[in-house]
Amino acid sequence: SFDLTQPPSLSVSPGQTATITCSGDNLGNRFASWYQQRPGQSPVQVIYQDSERPSGIPERFSGSNSGTTATLTISGTQAVDEAVYYCQAWDSSTEVVFGGGTKLTVL
Amino acid sequence: EVQLVESGGALVKPGGSLRLSCVASGFTFNNAWLSWVRQAPGKGLEWVGRIKSRSDGGTTNYATPVRGRFTISRDDSKNTVFLQMDSLKTEDAGMYFCTTGTNLLWIDFWGRGTLVTVSS
Repeated sequence: SFDLTQPPSLSVSPGQTATITCSGDNLGNRFASWYQQRPGQSPVQVIYQDSERPSGIPERFSGSNSGTTATLTISGTQAVDEAVYYCQAWDSSTEVVFGGGTKLTVL
Repeated sequence: EVQLVESGGALVKPGGSLRLSCVASGFTFNNAWLSWVRQAPGKGLEWVGRIKSRSDGGTTNYATPVRGRFTISRDDSKNTVFLQMDSLKTEDAGMYFCTTGTNLLWIDFWGRGTLVTVSS
């Protein structure tokens, strides 16, 4: 089966750059997307198609995908960015596949 | 504005059944593929299954843990998608989200979810 692996947690100071990785077999040959989930809320898409940003998502969010790793970068991280971030890709057999999530702490 | 509103979550005993509903608005429902995604308490996201639009065959696909027990259907006249859950297990408990998107490769829109509790 196709699996995506994320680090469980990451801590950054306000204003620093947060880099969240997502690894999977030949992930660079698939499109990766990212979702932000704040406590008690539904997930929100922050990146789709590797690096595209939906309307309303701040420019400090960016994405890339190459080889076996997709990366979500948050530049100038703010306290409001504290959340769990999930990567996602599509697989022909299991369809939507999520990573385990990375809890981003801003302190 | 796209809206997905789930309902039907409840407390049910192991082995029981439950039907969830999701009413959609703000997009052309007839052409949409819809999926259900769940999240166990304190855990990550898990795709449950998907139904295609009728024009694309209306077929369904399910994640291995629920295949044979869960059924997704749709009523385009009511802009509603359903998730019928039978033979429920304790591990099926969690928040169930209705989702859709402009592309099958990712999810653009999420509902607020409905909570399913499976306990004796």
